[in-house]
Amino acid sequence: ETGVTQTPRHLVMGMTNKKSLKCEQHLGHNAMYWYKQSAKKPLELMFVYNFKEQTENNSVPSRFSPECPNSSHLFLHLHTLQPEDSALYLCASSQEVGTSYEQYFGPGTRLTVT
Amino acid sequence: AQKITQTQPGMFVQEKEAVTLDCTYDTSDPSYGLFWYKQPSSGEMIFLIYQGSYDQQNATEGRYSLNFQKARKSANLVISASQLGDSAMYFCAMRVAYTGGFKTIFGAGTRLFVKA
Repeated sequence: ETGVTQTPRHLVMGMTNKKSLKCEQHLGHNAMYWYKQSAKKPLELMFVYNFKEQTENNSVPSRFSPECPNSSHLFLHLHTLQPEDSALYLCASSQEVGTSYEQYFGPGTRLTVT
Repeated sequence: AQKITQTQPGMFVQEKEAVTLDCTYDTSDPSYGLFWYKQPSSGEMIFLIYQGSYDQQNATEGRYSLNFQKARKSANLVISASQLGDSAMYFCAMRVAYTGGFKTIFGAGTRLFVKA
């Protein structure tokens, strides 16, 4: 496989469920990102990992828990979510975390919280 | 505070014509990168073009060019010879380096419709 892959592509979960989103990049990049894209808000950066270390956490509620076991894999663990957490969750990667590196995005996971 | 503004919620363009999508940004930090991404209805965000804050020349990538006017803090995307496949959402984004690290901001996007 090439590029950035995400699984599952669609997820429906209840507010008491625990689920995980998975992202894998095959580009040899060092940085990985989680974004949330809601219907009527600009894309929001949630977390950034650089060489497996979390470098940015943009005031994300603790019900979202990221994990980066290596530079190629990124997870987003979800528990006790709220209906307003329903959104498209996009994973991205870039060569480095600096200002000049474009990001390559996965296809996203469409999450619905019931 | 850093901010990206895209004032055009929707734009129409005739096939084969050029179109300009507007983007203005606001930051007081001197080091930043400006990016344009395309998001078709399939949902995947696709990188189009990059402009660095210290770059003297406007960036170009095939049919895409970035009209960078630093004094006016604008970074408009120009698509030449529009194609039907260009119909999509277009997002302007900025990644800023500041004392504490980095920050990424996306604009609200512009939906482009290309007419046959």
